[in-house]
Amino acid sequence: AQSVAQPEDQVNVAEGNPLTVKCTYSVSGNPYLFWYVQYPNRGLQFLLKYITGDNLVKGSYGFEAEFNKSQTSFHLKKPSALVSDSALYFCAVRDMVSRDDKIIFGKGTRLHILP
Amino acid sequence: DSGVTQTPKHLITATGQRVTLRCSPRSGDLSVYWYQQSLDQGLQFLIQYYNGEERAKGNILERFSAQQFPDLHSELNLSSLELGDSALYFCASSPSDQRRNEQFFGPGTRLTVL
Repeated sequence: AQSVAQPEDQVNVAEGNPLTVKCTYSVSGNPYLFWYVQYPNRGLQFLLKYITGDNLVKGSYGFEAEFNKSQTSFHLKKPSALVSDSALYFCAVRDMVSRDDKIIFGKGTRLHILP
Repeated sequence: DSGVTQTPKHLITATGQRVTLRCSPRSGDLSVYWYQQSLDQGLQFLIQYYNGEERAKGNILERFSAQQFPDLHSELNLSSLELGDSALYFCASSPSDQRRNEQFFGPGTRLTVL
């Protein structure tokens, strides 16, 4: 069965420091992987996705994520955090070819950037 | 603004009642997705429609149903409402039915069941 784990409910980072939000996944086949961000009282916004090819994916607002097949991980990173990055981040996975097509979201990680 | 609209923004109703949530996708998008977000369950995928037909199904209860109309807007019907159905319901859209597509989310409908 497909699953996504975001092991940290909350991550605190000082402004200007690098940040990492962790995500691991499980699918029967090959994954499509996504990161979304949710600001208070808003819908989710797409940040970036991994489809195939280069394992390092660059997305919006300076975020990037690295696909690691052996570790089944897709961690979200940013070299220098901004206070405005404070939000709820979701990792999502979708199996490329499984007949049981579902979209699985992680429980979310709340990112606090401390000024 | 994602271009996806949802109405109403807020809905307060009583247990046992039935409600309908409405979603208009981004112009040109053919796929519509429905999600439920609650504190204890997180973000749960309910169902996907593509060009009027059901394409993928998640953890949608039998009391819930959805459809997508010829003009591509979608409605989510929730019946025999229970307290536990109180949640934020999101609609999202994408251009096609390709699984690689990212989704564009609406602002959500907050449902409160009393």
